Amino acid sequence: DAGVIQSPRHEVTEMGQEVTLRCKPISGHDYLFWYRQTMMRGLELLIYFNNNVPIDDSGMPEDRFSAKMPNASFSTLKIQPSEPRDSAVYFCASKGGVNTEAFFGQGTRLTVV
Amino acid sequence: AQSVSQHNHHVILSEAASLELGCNYSYGGTVNLFWYVQYPGQHLQLLLKYFSGDPLVKGIKGFEAEFIKSKFSFNLRKPSVQWSDTAEYFCAVNARSGGKLIFGQGTELSVKP
Repeated sequence: DAGVIQSPRHEVTEMGQEVTLRCKPISGHDYLFWYRQTMMRGLELLIYFNNNVPIDDSGMPEDRFSAKMPNASFSTLKIQPSEPRDSAVYFCASKGGVNTEAFFGQGTRLTVV
Repeated sequence: AQSVSQHNHHVILSEAASLELGCNYSYGGTVNLFWYVQYPGQHLQLLLKYFSGDPLVKGIKGFEAEFIKSKFSFNLRKPSVQWSDTAEYFCAVNARSGGKLIFGQGTELSVKP
């Protein structure tokens, strides 16, 4: 298995633009997580899905952020409109059950200028 | 609600020194516990995990951790660190009743050669 695949690896965009981050979890995994990593706030859980259903989105910072999981093999995290303070590394992770470990993607480094 | 606290923000050691990184969690029920490592510029990788059984767990690269239920702690140890252990270390917890996986703030370890 190729592991968790995220795209793009790097994204530079201007303030106000829409940004879409993509994630392909490991096949067969039924949990998917989106995290944001910054120096100031560490690794924050934004939202997680179980069987494609959002379970907890309490970490989503604002209405500008939205996430979807239309099927078991694909998820998106969208920021519209983007702001400079959204600059961070966004990680996607998946796991194959409650009592298993999570596997992380390589992350997307987002820079909003 | 779950929470994880890592006591040390930045630890600096010389090679061959012993390491102990503190981790405490807050949750009233049964939990799964993890330590992840993030080498510079890379994604998070699993170092070790505890689900049940022997509270002393051994992971990769000579790391171990001990679960002390009465103290809600899961401290990471290594008897002799190497320069290549320079990285950021994250403690994580998920309740066995649910899939939400949350992380501590991370501890940056710098090992001087």
